Amino acid sequence: DTGVSQDPRHKITKRGQNVTFRCDPISEHNRLYWYRQTLGQGPEFLTYFQNEAQLEKSRLLSDRFSAERPKGSFSTLEIQRTEQGDSAMYLCASSMSSGNTIYFGEGSWLTVV
Amino acid sequence: QQQVKQSPQSLIVQKGGIPIINCAYENTAFDYFPWYQQFPGKGPALLIAIRPDVSEKKEGRFTISFNKSAKQFSLHIMDSQPGDSATYFCAASSDTGNQFYFGTGTSLTVIP
Repeated sequence: DTGVSQDPRHKITKRGQNVTFRCDPISEHNRLYWYRQTLGQGPEFLTYFQNEAQLEKSRLLSDRFSAERPKGSFSTLEIQRTEQGDSAMYLCASSMSSGNTIYFGEGSWLTVV
Repeated sequence: QQQVKQSPQSLIVQKGGIPIINCAYENTAFDYFPWYQQFPGKGPALLIAIRPDVSEKKEGRFTISFNKSAKQFSLHIMDSQPGDSATYFCAASSDTGNQFYFGTGTSLTVIP
């Protein structure tokens, strides 16, 4: 399967701990997105990469959040000093730079206790 | 503010019925309108998408109707099946923008 891959699928962490999620996009896709989804809501944009450059960040992305995409391949999303409000599903998506269609991964569920 | 407004929040239909989910937008720069289907615990999967140059698009049992002047679009599911029970999200984006804006979702239940 060559779809968007995310790891881990589930993570339970104590408040104050740091967590990191990884996303492997579809191989030929230049664009990579991170979204957050809470129960009963649609995905909310967090940030976006064109190759290795992080071109846009949402105001939802506080200074505790950092995303990287070294070498324009996989990406990581790190949340420092987690809070209970960070509990959500973190979705990664990718697309061709010339197209609009974005393809999501299965998501990484975060529960902060 | 919510860039894309979606209704209804939930919908229950009998098998074979035609559920209709509606979305509205304000930003006239939007030029791409996809619909995603999401099952519990899974990521959203692209279902069908439309651009404003056409008023309707069909793919299998799924149809998008688009009204550019009203800035509204809707998803129709023909001959709905219990396996269609899922949450459906509309979305919108523009060529000049870098993000997709999603509606709040519609939970569809198809009763056998």
